[in-house]
Amino acid sequence: GDSVTQMEGPVTLSEEAFLTINCTYTATGYPSLFWYVQYPGEGLQLLLKATKADDKGSNKGFEATYRKETTSFHLEKGSVQVSDSAVYFCALHNTGGFKTIFGAGTRLFVKA
Amino acid sequence: EAGVTQFPSHSVIEKGQTVTLRCDPISGHDNLYWYRRVMGKEIKFLLHFVKESKQDESGMPNNRFLAERTGGTYSTLKVQPAELEDSGVYFCASSQDGGRGSPLHFGNGTRLTVT
Repeated sequence: GDSVTQMEGPVTLSEEAFLTINCTYTATGYPSLFWYVQYPGEGLQLLLKATKADDKGSNKGFEATYRKETTSFHLEKGSVQVSDSAVYFCALHNTGGFKTIFGAGTRLFVKA
Repeated sequence: EAGVTQFPSHSVIEKGQTVTLRCDPISGHDNLYWYRRVMGKEIKFLLHFVKESKQDESGMPNNRFLAERTGGTYSTLKVQPAELEDSGVYFCASSQDGGRGSPLHFGNGTRLTVT
């Protein structure tokens, strides 16, 4: 079945460092891909999405490109801030289905 | 617009007791989902309502879990009797059309602890 694998955390970075969180997926068909973020004490919220191959999703300085050839959707940010400390979830929603499938989440700590 | 709300935010119960979780989706969202995250692992799908009908309940762990959405508005998820392995964070989410490009809007979750 469909699945999402993302790098294990926690990831600890200093402020202004470059961030990459790896995400790969397994799916038949043509899924949409998402990154969600969960800040402490809150629910998940959509960070960005891409609906077809080679699309780039971006928001709040974060970017991810839908790579069908490598079945990947890695999250990147050029300069992280302390306020980016959160748990990040990669997810997919496949064609013909109604449910979104999530990875295990990657916790990010950013130190001042 | 008001977001997805869940109640309670935390619940601590003893093994064998019953707990009912409630979710109020965003008004007008026909699609309502329940998910669960256990021990920092992946967020697992439990079930999906379209209005008051269960579209997919393939993720429900066993018959101790019962979800309802009477009238197609709020939903409840009852666990009876609760077991230790039911502990985790239960998330509710809603979306407008349920399609592959449609993002989910999440509540803050209910943290359930079974002792």
